[in-house]
Formats: sequence, structure tokens, C-alpha cells
Amino acid sequence: GEDVEQSLFLSVREGDSSVINCTYTDSSSTYLYWYKQEPGAGLQLLTYIFSNMDMKQDQRLTVLLNKKDKHLSLRIADTQTGDSAIYFCAESPKAGNMLTFGGGTRLMVKP
Amino acid sequence: NAGVTQTPKFQVLKTGQSMTLQCAQDMNHEYMSWYRQDPGMGLRLIHYSVGAGITDQGEVPNGYNVSRSTTEDFPLRLLSAAPSQTSVYFCASRPGTELKNIQYFGAGTRLSVL
Repeated sequence: GEDVEQSLFLSVREGDSSVINCTYTDSSSTYLYWYKQEPGAGLQLLTYIFSNMDMKQDQRLTVLLNKKDKHLSLRIADTQTGDSAIYFCAESPKAGNMLTFGGGTRLMVKP
Repeated sequence: NAGVTQTPKFQVLKTGQSMTLQCAQDMNHEYMSWYRQDPGMGLRLIHYSVGAGITDQGEVPNGYNVSRSTTEDFPLRLLSAAPSQTSVYFCASRPGTELKNIQYFGAGTRLSVL
């Protein structure tokens, strides 16, 4: 079956780098995603990576994908207080199907 | 652009009451879906639709009904609310032809069942 797991909580100081990790079980996943949820709001797509890629960089965000270990990570450089939110990892097992989400990692950024 | 609009934003129900959560999108997306979000459990898929007149069950469909009479609207019905349905509900939509499966979410409906 499909299962996506994340650690529940991460605390960093402003200006440091944050690394949020995710593991998944479905090796047929074609795309993997990172969504951000700010308090009281819906989910906003941050970035995604296609399964034939190892890395994707987008400004302060770096996504690393290790298909062998089924491990996905999101690195946020120079973390700011505005980055405080819940971050969800999600996979799309087949093209066109719905998303399977992890439980979310709450990132707290201390000034 | 409105995107995905959910109403109401908040709702309190008594056990056994019925209600409909509304979801509308103005992006002409074929796919729409409903998720519920519970602490530490991420989002779980309740029902989804790949086009007008077509619906299917997701991971946690019990206690919920849906219909898709138009492309724009995808209401979620609770026929007899139970405390276990206290949750935050999100509606999402995406284009049907896009392989990337990037979904666009509404702001959510926070439901409490007493």
C-alpha cells in the first residue's frame, strides 16, 4: 500500500538552513511534491520533482530525491520567520491519480 | 482570480444533523476532490471526481456523499453528522490532462460536530 511518513516537528533559528525529510513506499510514484500550509490557510504548492530527477533547486528551496531509499528532502536556505508553517510531502503514484500525503512537519523558526 | 472557493469557512453541527459543504472552482478543471485533515495524519482523500457526472470513493468515504452535476461545483454532503467527522475539510481541483497532478486547494472548512 501507499504510505508517506514525515517527522512531526522541526525547530531552527532564523538564518539557518532547514531540512525536512520524507519517506515513501510506492516505487511507482511519478511525481513527488512539497506543499506549505500557513496557519488557518489551505495548502500551497511549493515545489515538485519528477521521479527521474535527483535534485531540483528553486531559489532558496532544494529538493533531493533518493529513489533507491525512497527518501525525499526539502532544504530551505536562510530560513526566515515567514517560513514557519506545516510542510507536507505528497506522492502521485500514477499519472492522473490523486495525491497521498504525509502527516506534515511543523517548522518553527526562532528569531 | 477566485480559484477554489469553499463555503462556509466554519460550521458547528449537532450529532445527527445534515449539511452540505460547498466547493466551486472557476478554472475549468476536470478533476476535483475532497480531503479531510486531522492532526498528525496529513490529508486523507474522501471522494473525488474526474469529470461531470463521475465520482468515486477515496480512502475514507463512509458518512459522506458527493455529486458532480457541473464542472464547476463539487458539494460534499454529511447526511447524519458524527463527532468523528470533526475535522478541517479541503477541496482541491486540477486539470485532467496534466501529468504533473498539481492540485489547487481551497482555504478549508472547519467543522465541529458536538
